[in-house]
Amino acid sequence: EAQVTQNPRYLITVTGKKLTVTCSQNMNHEYMSWYRQDPGLGLRQIYYSMNVEVTDKGDVPEGYKVSRKEKRNFPLILESPSPNQTSLYFCASSFRSWDSPLHFGNGTRLTVT
Amino acid sequence: EDQVTQSPEALRLQEGESSSLNCSYTVSGLRGLFWYRQDPGKGPEFLFTLYSAGEEKEKERLKATLTKKESFLHITAPKPEDSATYLCAVQDFNKFYFGSGTKLNVKP
Repeated sequence: EAQVTQNPRYLITVTGKKLTVTCSQNMNHEYMSWYRQDPGLGLRQIYYSMNVEVTDKGDVPEGYKVSRKEKRNFPLILESPSPNQTSLYFCASSFRSWDSPLHFGNGTRLTVT
Repeated sequence: EDQVTQSPEALRLQEGESSSLNCSYTVSGLRGLFWYRQDPGKGPEFLFTLYSAGEEKEKERLKATLTKKESFLHITAPKPEDSATYLCAVQDFNKFYFGSGTKLNVKP
């Protein structure tokens, strides 16, 4: 089944403790991206990647890192999480960076205390 | 500054009562306008892509239209299973910008 898989679904952590949220797609998509969804603000793009070893900042990149060493994987790294990063995170992929809809994972709900 | 605004924030309809959702946008280099449906606890699910003013797409009870500054999602004779949050997104070069969504509730 074609899908985008995120792990974990739920994560509770403390301020400053490094964490990684994994994202994997099995559709051979070139474009991958991360979003956070907050009430009233909608989905905001954090980082995106147009292909292996090519990443760039979205609208809200501060406090986040990404890497794209393999085509299928695009992990989101929070090196020193803070409470304002408490949010619902989505990973998405598309066949290419233009003319292609995004396919989303089911989300990771992160709480930073 | 690129911006996407959706209205209304919430909409309650009786089953069979048709209506429209609005998405207005300002982007410098539109590569596409996308509509998604999001159910509670799930990721957004793709519905339509529109590329140029005047374009229309249909799927079951949904029809999406596009002008130079806004898009409409028309829902004809909705059913309770159409209840969800509908998201609009625009692609400006390699970035995506989303509206905050319209939460639709269809009562039987």
